[in-house]
Amino acid sequence: EAQVTQNPRYLITVTGKKLTVTCSQNMNHEYMSWYRQDPGLGLRQIYYSMNVEVTDKGDVPEGYKVSRKEKRNFPLILESPSPNQTSLYFCASSLSNYWGGEQFFGPGTRLTVL
Amino acid sequence: TQLLEQSPQFLSIQEGENLTVYCNSSSVFSSLQWYRQEPGEGPVLLVTVVTGGEVKKLKRLTFQFGDARKDSSLHITAAQPGDTGLYLCAGESTNAGKSTFGDGTTLTVKP
Repeated sequence: EAQVTQNPRYLITVTGKKLTVTCSQNMNHEYMSWYRQDPGLGLRQIYYSMNVEVTDKGDVPEGYKVSRKEKRNFPLILESPSPNQTSLYFCASSLSNYWGGEQFFGPGTRLTVL
Repeated sequence: TQLLEQSPQFLSIQEGENLTVYCNSSSVFSSLQWYRQEPGEGPVLLVTVVTGGEVKKLKRLTFQFGDARKDSSLHITAAQPGDTGLYLCAGESTNAGKSTFGDGTTLTVKP
């Protein structure tokens, strides 16, 4: 089944404890992206990747890191999480390098930072 | 940062009514998409519009892209409870890969 998977789905952590949220797609998509969703703010793009070893900042990259060493994986790293990073996170992938292509979203990761 | 403003933010209607959701910006977008999101799930694409003035229909849903490619609308005819959900518009910026989402319209259709 073609899909985007994220792990973990739920995570409660404490301020300053490094964490990684994994994202994997099995559709051989070139484009991948991370978003956070907060009430009343829609989805805001954190980082995106047009291809392996190519990553760029979205609108809210502060406090986050990403890497794209393989086509299928695009992990999101929070080196020192803070309470303002409590949010619902979505990973997405798309076949096309040109954005007009459909983005397929993962099921989301709900992160709480205490 | 390019912004997309959606209106209304919340909409509660009776089954059978018509509705329109708007997505507006001061910026030009290369293309614009509409997604629908249900609780506990990620957004799912409904349509992509790429040409100014373009109109696309998907059963009871009609999507329009403004002539200047700065705004879009979603019209639902004879809404049904199954249309309930969060509707999001998303625009492609001049930087390929960078996308901007609107803040969403929460639609509730009561039977």
